[in-house]
Amino acid sequence: GESVGLHLPTLSVQEGDNSIINCAYSNSASDYFIWYKQESGKGPQFIIDIRSNMDKRQGQRVTVLLNKTVKHLSLQIAATQPGDSAVYFCAEKANSGNTPLVFGKGTRLSVIA
Amino acid sequence: SQTIHQWPATLVQPVGSPLSLECTVEGTSNPNLYWYRQAAGRGLQLLFYSVGIGQISSEVPQNLSASRPQDRQFILSSKKLLLSDSGFYLCAWRQTSTDTQYFGPGTRLTVL
Repeated sequence: GESVGLHLPTLSVQEGDNSIINCAYSNSASDYFIWYKQESGKGPQFIIDIRSNMDKRQGQRVTVLLNKTVKHLSLQIAATQPGDSAVYFCAEKANSGNTPLVFGKGTRLSVIA
Repeated sequence: SQTIHQWPATLVQPVGSPLSLECTVEGTSNPNLYWYRQAAGRGLQLLFYSVGIGQISSEVPQNLSASRPQDRQFILSSKKLLLSDSGFYLCAWRQTSTDTQYFGPGTRLTVL
């Protein structure tokens, strides 16, 4: 079936630099996308989401970019901090019904102090 | 505000023993509920989801089952655990009026 995948399984970033985590999706019918952060031993935590009628959405230190032409999603973290070290998952959903989210494999972000 | 609880937080069980994991949601009504399993260092595998009391959809055929006896309660069960059932079990909920899904703290299950 169609799935959401990731370009990079691991990412190491210097503290203070910006981080970019990428995600590719294959279901052209997906209209909702979401990023989660999962720290070790904890459940995934919602970070930010975006609908397909938008190209960009900003939160606190995070920005999600959506390129529907190439089916690409990215999460940008500004001024990366040690507390940002975690695994990041993207997920996508087609239509607003009861269709479950489809999750990518995850990217581990390691922040180097 | 809404909160989601899972218990127990950790569990060690012998092979062949039964399992019952519980998930409850507070502060909302008629949520969609989900059970996921996550192997160590891996992604999220959807096991079951429920759109209402007594309504269960199974995504992966295996020796696990789910039940929803009350609106905000979701239970994951097994009659006989296998070694391969070890993992991190996550419950999640979603308001039917939105697409955003929120996760509980998880249960770490080790089958020996």
